[in-house]
Amino acid sequence: KQEVTQIPAALSVPEGENLVLNCSFTDSAIYNLQWFRQDPGKGLTSLLLIQSSQREQTSGRLNASLDKSSGRSTLYIAASQPGDSATYLCAVTGGYGTSGSRLTFGEGTQLTVNP
Amino acid sequence: AAGVIQSPRHLIKEKRETATLKCYPIPRHDTVYWYQQGPGQDPQFLISFYEKMQSDKGSIPDRFSAQQFSDYHSELNMSSLELGDSALYFCASSLVGRNTEAFFGQGTRLTVV
Repeated sequence: KQEVTQIPAALSVPEGENLVLNCSFTDSAIYNLQWFRQDPGKGLTSLLLIQSSQREQTSGRLNASLDKSSGRSTLYIAASQPGDSATYLCAVTGGYGTSGSRLTFGEGTQLTVNP
Repeated sequence: AAGVIQSPRHLIKEKRETATLKCYPIPRHDTVYWYQQGPGQDPQFLISFYEKMQSDKGSIPDRFSAQQFSDYHSELNMSSLELGDSALYFCASSLVGRNTEAFFGQGTRLTVV
């Protein structure tokens, strides 16, 4: 069955630092990968969608890369700000044990950016 | 731009009661998904619908049922509620297809007491 793992589980950095969040998945037969942001007790905000045929996507200070063959993705956040503090979730569609376009989520990385 | 609308935002029910959660997808989106997120956990897929037909089924208890209506809104019906059903319930919508982006609502926080 498809499993998604995110490292680290928590990260605390000073404001202005560049940082990388990691995501890995067990079955490389994915259709796409999405990165989400979740504030405490709130909904999921889609940050970036990478199709399985793509290598990376960029939006503002965010850059996500995908290495499908090795089952890995990274989310790079440049010049972090306190407002970036949230939980970042990685999710994939596809893979063994799944069907359709359901998302399989990782457990998230809780990011704290200190002023 | 219009987003996914869920109602109610908060719901408190007693054990063994029933609850109905509603979801209004983004206009022109034809696929709706339901996810459950327990405290400190990642969202787990429950069920999805495409054009009013169930398209995929995940770890949804038999006590739960869902449907999608002709206007594409969806309802999740939960009966014989248990304390363990307390969670955030998210609805997401997308256009049909495996490579389309899913957009999530703000969720309904269900508390069973």
